[in-house]
Amino acid sequence: GAGVSQTPSNKVTEKGKYVELRCDPISGHTALYWYRQSLGQGPEFLIYFQGTGAADDSGLPNDRFFAVRPEGSVSTLKIQRTERGDSAVYLCASSLQGGQPQHFGDGTRLSIL
Amino acid sequence: SQQGEEDPQALSIQEGENATMNCSYKTSINNLQWYRQNSGRGLVHLILIRSNEREKHSGRLRVTLDTSKKSSSLLITASRAADTASYFCATDRNSGNTPLVFGKGTRLSVIA
Repeated sequence: GAGVSQTPSNKVTEKGKYVELRCDPISGHTALYWYRQSLGQGPEFLIYFQGTGAADDSGLPNDRFFAVRPEGSVSTLKIQRTERGDSAVYLCASSLQGGQPQHFGDGTRLSIL
Repeated sequence: SQQGEEDPQALSIQEGENATMNCSYKTSINNLQWYRQNSGRGLVHLILIRSNEREKHSGRLRVTLDTSKKSSSLLITASRAADTASYFCATDRNSGNTPLVFGKGTRLSVIA
């Protein structure tokens, strides 16, 4: 069956621009997670959705980062006024419900020039 | 911040040998999970061990958990070149929140 799909796979943009990263979770998975991974590091938690609502957004680094999941399925991570330090791989994961093993997409590699 | 710390950071072994990776964490947990990541790909869940379990097996994988030492180990027996990847331990938070806290990972290279 289809896994977690993330688009685009790569995104290169200039400092100061706005970007949107999309995540299509596995059908039926109520929990959705966004992580950020820098080179040589493990994934770092950003935000967790249970259904349509953000159950935990404590990992968002600042107010330039925002994520939505309006219908409880697809999620979009939005970054305003991008900075070079935002460059990383952004990973999305979903699970059947909270506390279950997570299924990851292949990520979006974001490069801010 | 990252709670788990894997040891060693990098490991290189010959095909057929066993690979052991260790993980230490800081706070109480509900469970501990191990994930694998091939270069340029997402993470793949390998095994979950609950805080009341001490050892778990899955195929060539053996995981132990010592909650008194806040540590876990992952053993891969009879390694294959295809096992080459980064391996991460991840813990949840005992408060019931489910986002995972990952370590920095162990980069395993299995040489054919």
